[in-house]
Amino acid sequence: KAGVTQTPRYLIKTRGQQVTLSCSPISGHRSVSWYQQTPGQGLQFLFEYFSETQRNKGNFPGRFSGRQFSNSRSEMNVSTLELGDSALYLCASRPQTGNVGYTFGSGTRLTVV
Amino acid sequence: AQSVTQLDSQVPVFEEAPVELRCNYSSSVSVYLFWYVQYPNQGLQLLLKYLSGSTLVKGINGFEAEFNKSQTSFHLRKPSVHISDTAEYFCAVRLNSGGSNYKLTFGKGTLLTVNP
Repeated sequence: KAGVTQTPRYLIKTRGQQVTLSCSPISGHRSVSWYQQTPGQGLQFLFEYFSETQRNKGNFPGRFSGRQFSNSRSEMNVSTLELGDSALYLCASRPQTGNVGYTFGSGTRLTVV
Repeated sequence: AQSVTQLDSQVPVFEEAPVELRCNYSSSVSVYLFWYVQYPNQGLQLLLKYLSGSTLVKGINGFEAEFNKSQTSFHLRKPSVHISDTAEYFCAVRLNSGGSNYKLTFGKGTLLTVNP
């Protein structure tokens, strides 16, 4: 069974640009969450999607947005990139029912220069 | 709001020694508890979870954790570590309050370094 797939693995962008990251959840998982990991702030929750609807959102500016498609694949977008947006962005998926833990992807390492 | 404190940012140990990584949480409602491990340049892998029932939880790679409600702790232990256990370990909580809030709140992480 394939795991959570995130693309691309590495990305370098310039300040002011925008970026789109992609996440394909485990087959059958309909819930997808995104987290930002930085050395200073640690792991912080960005948002969660279920059946194409955003259910929860973390405390991030409106430059951070996301969406989920009918096949449960999700994308997150960051506009007007700032140096502080440099981070590892992790996507996680979970099944619709049950309380099993989230399964995380390997992440996308974004560097803003 | 819930919070998680991992009391040690770094724990160095020798191979085959026992280890305990400490985690305390704060929440006004009951929670589910998780431990994740992160190897360099990788995502998070679930080690174990506490949902309900027995307070001693066994996970993968020989790790176990004990939930202590009165002390609001969920410490991770392994009786004998290997070099390959060198990684960063994260404790996380999720509210057990029903509804649709599945957000995980993480601690800052503990870097476990196993020396030969």
